[in-house]
Amino acid sequence: DTAVSQTPKYLVTQMGNDKSIKCEQNLGHDTMYWYKQDSKKFLKIMFSYNNKELIINETVPNRFSPKSPDKAHLNLHINSLELGDSAVYFCASSQTSGIYNEQFFGPGTRLTVL
Amino acid sequence: AQKITQTQPGMFVQEKEAVTLDCTYDTSDQSYGLFWYKQPSSGEMIFLIYQGSYDEQNATEGRYSLNFQKARKSANLVISASQLGDSAMYFCAMAGGGGSTLGRLYFGRGTQLTVWP
Repeated sequence: DTAVSQTPKYLVTQMGNDKSIKCEQNLGHDTMYWYKQDSKKFLKIMFSYNNKELIINETVPNRFSPKSPDKAHLNLHINSLELGDSAVYFCASSQTSGIYNEQFFGPGTRLTVL
Repeated sequence: AQKITQTQPGMFVQEKEAVTLDCTYDTSDQSYGLFWYKQPSSGEMIFLIYQGSYDEQNATEGRYSLNFQKARKSANLVISASQLGDSAMYFCAMAGGGGSTLGRLYFGRGTQLTVWP
């Protein structure tokens, strides 16, 4: 059984388009995250939700909007896509938002903006 | 500010040998957690091992152990008896325990490990 799943796995789109990435976890965790991994493999947190409430919002362009309809789902919507948005986006979840919980990652979504 | 430093962009080890991947960190938080993740070429992120800042014993998980030296702010990963399947990118990460850092995982730049036969 997949613990953290993301769809789609690959996303190729034109500049200026709007796209969404969906994430679901079946671990019963309270906290979910979005990370961006750039072309040099550097991972950086973008957002975090705890029980559907936004708790981390890093310096991310407001073209990126997360939405958590329930604590098992965290989606990422991106408006007006730019070339620099090309990256791998990882969803993750953890039991709580504390420091003692490992974060379980989804398989990633490779976004390519042409 | 939280910072994780991995100074080895690439490491090579022969199969069945042990290898140490270096990680140093900087934080002003009293409580924090240290993690290692593995990212094979297939791209997924696999959790390997965790060490809490107040844990007195070094963490171990199978062939993985974390050499935690708090005074030196280092959290090196030791892989014993390397296997070909250990070839991957390894990331050190830290979760801060402070109000503004709680819940955030800060990652190092990674070390690409290659295991050769």
